[in-house]
Amino acid sequence: DADVTQTPRNRITKTGKRIMLECSQTKGHDRMYWYRQDPGLGLRLIYYSFDVKDINKGEISDGYSVSRQAQAKFSLSLESAIPNQTALYFCATSEPGTPSDQYFGPGTRLLVL
Amino acid sequence: GNSVTQMEGPVTLSEEAFLTINCTYTATGYPSLFWYVQYPGEGLQLLLKATKADDKGSNKGFEATYRKETTSFHLEKGSVQVSDSAVYFCALLSFSGSARQLTFGSGTQLTVLP
Repeated sequence: DADVTQTPRNRITKTGKRIMLECSQTKGHDRMYWYRQDPGLGLRLIYYSFDVKDINKGEISDGYSVSRQAQAKFSLSLESAIPNQTALYFCATSEPGTPSDQYFGPGTRLLVL
Repeated sequence: GNSVTQMEGPVTLSEEAFLTINCTYTATGYPSLFWYVQYPGEGLQLLLKATKADDKGSNKGFEATYRKETTSFHLEKGSVQVSDSAVYFCALLSFSGSARQLTFGSGTQLTVLP
């Protein structure tokens, strides 16, 4: 079984809809991250969490919110989706001592019409 | 601020060809440098890393040397295989407030033909 799982893997939604992307991990890591990937732009950090009580904004947090329900679960929400949020979204985890060694989920491809 | 610039792709090579993917960076202080690889339909995986100047990271036949004087971390492989077809991301580890965060380049698509 995969260490970092994301659901759904693909999603099509309409402008203005609320949508939640979920991430679960079995690695026992404290740190979790949400990134979006756009062609030609690499990965950009949306939010990150160092533990259940510690949530931080990343580079591009506007229009997004997150919830760390447990050590193993970190959800990303789009309260009112817009077309420029169409992207590939990745969840990742790491241990505190090795923030660069991030373990990524398979990604969620989101299309906002 | 911190940034990573990679050579634009896509790069198409024949099997057993030599590979170079250029990466340069801008950063304050002394960042650590990384290459991540993304195979089709999967998330990113750490390929190799170097934490200080002149260090050489290596893995699976890939190498990259941390060159502080040229602020570069070019990825090389002497003989590529079809299975190396993937997107390669250069990244650096930087400080942002109290946190250390990865900054990624835009990625380079590599296709290896048999």
